[in-house]
Amino acid sequence: AQKVTQAQTEISVVEKEDVTLDCVYETRDTTYYLFWYKQPPSGELVFLIRRNSFDEQNEISGRYSWNFQKSTSSFNFTITASQVVDSAVYFCALSEAKTSYDKVIFGPGTSLSVIP
Amino acid sequence: DTGVSQNPRHKITKRGQNVTFRCDPISEHNRLYWYRQTLGQGPEFLTYFQNEAQLEKSRLLSDRFSAERPKGSFSTLEIQRTEQGDSAMYLCASSLSDHNQIYYGYTFGSGTRLTVV
Repeated sequence: AQKVTQAQTEISVVEKEDVTLDCVYETRDTTYYLFWYKQPPSGELVFLIRRNSFDEQNEISGRYSWNFQKSTSSFNFTITASQVVDSAVYFCALSEAKTSYDKVIFGPGTSLSVIP
Repeated sequence: DTGVSQNPRHKITKRGQNVTFRCDPISEHNRLYWYRQTLGQGPEFLTYFQNEAQLEKSRLLSDRFSAERPKGSFSTLEIQRTEQGDSAMYLCASSLSDHNQIYYGYTFGSGTRLTVV
């Protein structure tokens, strides 16, 4: 069965600290996509990154970086030098080739508060 | 194109009333999805359309829920005889899926927040 776990329900950090959001997924499919979305207080889900199962290279985009490790079924997200604007709920998600990627399974989310 | 548009943004209704939400996807996107998000949870898949055809419905979608996408453009989600448990954010997303099944990813709307009192 497909499942996404985000064990951290809430995290608070002081501005400029680094923070890592954990994501562990379960799938029997060998071909799948993993995602991170940000949901600010306004409510709209903002796409951050998509990674396919064949690409385990870590990615960096500005202050954001992602660590994909198939061996541990994890896709962790790190924010470096956090800012107040990073305060949001962050969702890790999974979609599988066997469903033609038509269904995205979201984790429960991690609420990040960055304190000035 | 201004992205995926959902109306209304907020809806408060009395238990037992019917409500209808509208979603206007990105114009060139042929797939449209409905998700439901309750407080403190991630979005849950409800249903999706390829053009005007509804291809899958989740077991979450009871008989009181119906979705349509006439002419493969905008979509409506209707909830009949609303219950307090229907209170949630209803999210719409669209995507482009071509004959090569290349996956381009979702674009989400801002959602419609339903409160049933």
